[in-house]
Amino acid sequence: DIQMTQSPSSLSASVGDRVTISCRASQRINTYLNWYQQKSGKAPKLLIYAASSLQSGVPSRFSGSGSGTDFTLTISNLQPEDFATYYCQQSYSMFLTFGGGTKVEIK
Amino acid sequence: QVQLQQWGAGLLKPSETLSLTCAVYGGSFSDYYWSWIRQSPTKGLEWIGEIDQTGGTNYNPSLKSRVTISSDTSKAQFSLRLTSVTAADTAVYYCARITYFGEDKGNCFDPWGPGILVTVSS
Repeated sequence: DIQMTQSPSSLSASVGDRVTISCRASQRINTYLNWYQQKSGKAPKLLIYAASSLQSGVPSRFSGSGSGTDFTLTISNLQPEDFATYYCQQSYSMFLTFGGGTKVEIK
Repeated sequence: QVQLQQWGAGLLKPSETLSLTCAVYGGSFSDYYWSWIRQSPTKGLEWIGEIDQTGGTNYNPSLKSRVTISSDTSKAQFSLRLTSVTAADTAVYYCARITYFGEDKGNCFDPWGPGILVTVSS
């Protein structure tokens, strides 16, 4: 199976900051990489698909980049509603796998 | 706007069978694949399996011997059965639609159901 490793596991940031979250795949997955946001007690919500495509309705301050094994989720101008846990997920393999998550907390 | 609603038993004893159902409202059922995912503090988010439009299934190899996913197209519902549960199966279980964006973009889980906490305890 393809292992997905996120870093950092948590970070503290302030409103207005630019935040970068990394995701690394254990093998090349082209751009078959999705990003989700999960708030406490809620189901994950799709933010970015195919590494860089913004899901409809998601604010443009969210962006994704990368291909192969290394990917990045960037949140520019962090807003209060963005404090949550973020997960990457690969769809290259039929055996779908997720990263361990990055919790974005208020500084 | 498609919505998913889930139900099933939330408390099981070891060796019992977990049984959950997910109903799809407001969208096409037969045009999509459907999936079950679970989340626990120890294993994080874990894909359990999926079912396609023809009833074909694909399961996580680590759970394959205990899992069955089925669907009822007439009711726009799909179900999960997990046999011989242990404490390690305690988790929040989500159902989700698999949205396919094309050969060059792959697929993703969108939307998700609200989740059900299933606890396995004697």
